[in-house]
Amino acid sequence: RKEVEQDPGPFNVPEGATVAFNCTYSNSASQSFFWYRQDCRKEPKLLMSVYSSGNEDGRFTAQLNRASQYISLLIRDSKLSDSATYLCVVNSPHEKLTFGTGTRLTIIP
Amino acid sequence: DVKVTQSSRYLVKRTGEKVFLECVQDMDHENMFWYRQDPGLGLRLIYFSYDVKMKEKGDIPEGYSVSREKKERFSLILESASTNQTSMYLCASSPKRRLDTQYFGPGTRLTVL
Repeated sequence: RKEVEQDPGPFNVPEGATVAFNCTYSNSASQSFFWYRQDCRKEPKLLMSVYSSGNEDGRFTAQLNRASQYISLLIRDSKLSDSATYLCVVNSPHEKLTFGTGTRLTIIP
Repeated sequence: DVKVTQSSRYLVKRTGEKVFLECVQDMDHENMFWYRQDPGLGLRLIYFSYDVKMKEKGDIPEGYSVSREKKERFSLILESASTNQTSMYLCASSPKRRLDTQYFGPGTRLTVL
């Protein structure tokens, strides 16, 4: 079983819609969780951390469910500029980041 | 703004050649990392370093070595390149105790013929 699993997509979503991605992780001792964004042919960049109580940053909401070992990312009122690959990232007990393979999102005008 | 630079965007080498990939960061970060990214496999950690002259194996160190002689520079070495090392190589850095905020370089697309 992969340490971090994501649906690869692609998700093709009309502009203005709401879209949600899930990600599951296998190590129950994982401590920190993040979403990174990677544009086509660019490097990954930190989008947001994921806190136990859930957190919001503008149109983006991240949630953590420790019992079921998954994290989610919700994007509201999606924009064309949200088109990218979203990487789920987990900090393992050995303090390394483990990256999921990414979910590709395309926002359609 | 943090800047992580990598010596080449594209590189083509032949099987058996020794390959050096250089990474430089300008933010005085203690931690530096080398990943490779392949379709369907995501980013996989090759080696990382917490300080000058320190190195730790990541998940896929076989066929690679690294060097960190100066804080700002982290080099990845392919002693004898093979075709299965054709990949996108990404370097990253982060401040001490802040593994979450990794800043990535633009990547080097290496092709081994």
